[in-house]
Amino acid sequence: ILNVEQSPQSLHVQEGDSTNFTCSFPSSNFYALHWYRWETAKSPEALFVMTLNGDEKKKGRISATLNTKEGYSYLYIKGSQPEDSATYLCAFWMDSSYKLIFGSGTRLLVRP
Amino acid sequence: DAGVTQSPTHLIKTRGQQVTLRCSPKSGHDTVSWYQQALGQGPQFIFQYYEEEERQRGNFPDRFSGHQFPNYSSELNVNALLLGDSALYLCASSPEWANEQFFGPGTRLTVL
Repeated sequence: ILNVEQSPQSLHVQEGDSTNFTCSFPSSNFYALHWYRWETAKSPEALFVMTLNGDEKKKGRISATLNTKEGYSYLYIKGSQPEDSATYLCAFWMDSSYKLIFGSGTRLLVRP
Repeated sequence: DAGVTQSPTHLIKTRGQQVTLRCSPKSGHDTVSWYQQALGQGPQFIFQYYEEEERQRGNFPDRFSGHQFPNYSSELNVNALLLGDSALYLCASSPEWANEQFFGPGTRLTVL
């Protein structure tokens, strides 16, 4: 059974704080690692698709790193804003497969 | 350009009934995947359709079936509904496998 673990489960921070989440995934048969942001009452939206060991991607104040050899990825948010409040999901894509295996997500609440 | 659309938004059924959920992919996308999201969990892969064929299936019983039409839209059918089938059902489309998936807003199914 392939497991994708995310921590923490939930996080409450003050506006302006920087924060980071962890995603752990199997280190074998890796093809890609996806990060999604899911705001309440909206559709999950892709943040990053990462495929290479050592990848670092950035979109505004959000960045992510990838270590495929040890099976983890970090998502960083610099200077959190209330609009960053959402559930952040990571998903593992195994080689020779067509399905995404999701973690349970990290629920972020940013207080003004 | 319309994104992924799903219908209906909400649905209430009773145990033993059958249900059909519908998905229209984003324009230009030919691959459709279905996911089930139970409360407190990440989305679980049900199956993926490509060129009107089921290309891969997750760990779901045969009560879950699907179809893809020539215009790439898709249906998810669930027979003999159980209380445990209550969940949010998400549809995702992509232009080719291994790229980011574009999700619809989901259909909330409640089984009483």
